[in-house]
Amino acid sequence: QQQVKQSPQSLIVQKGGISIINCAYENTAFDYFPWYQQFPGKGPALLIAIRPDVSEKKEGRFTISFNKSAKQFSLHIMDSQPGDSATYFCAASIDNHSGYALNFGKGTSLLVTP
Amino acid sequence: DAGVIQSPRHEVTEMGQEVTLRCKPISGHNSLFWYRQTMMRGLELLIYFNNNVPIDDSGMPEDRFSAKMPNASFSTLKIQPSEPRDSAVYFCASSSAGPYTDTQYFGPGTRLTVL
Repeated sequence: QQQVKQSPQSLIVQKGGISIINCAYENTAFDYFPWYQQFPGKGPALLIAIRPDVSEKKEGRFTISFNKSAKQFSLHIMDSQPGDSATYFCAASIDNHSGYALNFGKGTSLLVTP
Repeated sequence: DAGVIQSPRHEVTEMGQEVTLRCKPISGHNSLFWYRQTMMRGLELLIYFNNNVPIDDSGMPEDRFSAKMPNASFSTLKIQPSEPRDSAVYFCASSSAGPYTDTQYFGPGTRLTVL
């Protein structure tokens, strides 16, 4: 079963706008929440990640907001650019001291129009 | 620095044939992951290894799939016999397991088509 639910499935944003992608999880043992970015024909690459001891993390135009009580987290892309057009995956994992097995959401295809 | 290397990049085979996908993780990484990506199911974890030992293979779809990691620099994912529903992009990823070293680095993937 899908342990991380992601929405929307696709998103179209104008250049300069804000892109928002949401994820929800059920397993309260998850303690690591990364976002991966994937361009066509490429493997996913880590974009930004957060741990549950903070409610927000910002790196440049990318921000993760985390709501532990609601078991939700989201990615905000400020001043979206056409180069941001890609598929974005949220994920969650548990530190079991033997590697981190990521549970991925189904992905959001983002298109930023000029 | 070389990233995760996967071969072949594309594989077309006929139903019933054996398929072997190969992965070379980043040197020094001690965790290796195999994922499968399809439009319907997204990215699914098939199996992962830590220090060459399989930790969780619960994602392996059925007995037709097997994975090995004979040493720290090489892993294989084998499908025997292959079926059309196995058509997907298969990714290998590696990481250094440990506190605050969570990043998984993905290879370019192998696009498998089973006719």
